[in-house]
Amino acid sequence: GDSVTQMEGPVTLSEEAFLTINCTYTATGYPSLFWYVQYPGEGLQLLLKATKADDKGSNKGFEATYRKETTSFHLEKGSVQVSDSAVYFCALGLNTGFQKLVFGTGTRLLVSP
Amino acid sequence: GAGVSQTPSNKVTEKGKYVELRCDPISGHTALYWYRQSLGQGPEFLIYFQGTGAADDSGLPNDRFFAVRPEGSVSTLKIQRTERGDSAVYLCASSQTSGRANEQFFGPGTRLTVL
Repeated sequence: GDSVTQMEGPVTLSEEAFLTINCTYTATGYPSLFWYVQYPGEGLQLLLKATKADDKGSNKGFEATYRKETTSFHLEKGSVQVSDSAVYFCALGLNTGFQKLVFGTGTRLLVSP
Repeated sequence: GAGVSQTPSNKVTEKGKYVELRCDPISGHTALYWYRQSLGQGPEFLIYFQGTGAADDSGLPNDRFFAVRPEGSVSTLKIQRTERGDSAVYLCASSQTSGRANEQFFGPGTRLTVL
């Protein structure tokens, strides 16, 4: 079935380090891909998205490219900040007449000063 | 403007009891979704409403779970004869329409604990 696999956390980095969080997916058809972020004590927020192959989503210095050949949507940021500490969820959107989201298990990022 | 709100924020109940969880979507959003997030997991889809009708309830785990949206705005998720395994955070999301790229806006969730 349709699924998302993302790297287990926690990922622990020092401020200004480079971040990669891996995400791969299995899906029939051509899903949309998303990264959601959950800051401590807050609800899920959309961070970025890509709706077709080779699209790059970007926001707040984060980027991810929809790679159909490797079924991946890895999240990257060149220089993380303490304020980026959060749980990051990769998700795919099944276009079944509506946007049914399938989430990965989440990756906790901890950034220290 | 106001985001998606959910009440209560926390609910503790005893095994076998009935609970109702409420979701107020963003005004004007026609699509509404319920998800369940168990500890250490990502959210799992439960049910989707377009307007007043449940267009897809394939994620509801069994017939103890039911949801309504009678006027196409507020939705209530109802759980009968609660079990300890129902303990989770129940998330509600809404989107302007149900189209492919429409962003789903999530509420803060209701944390349900079944003792």
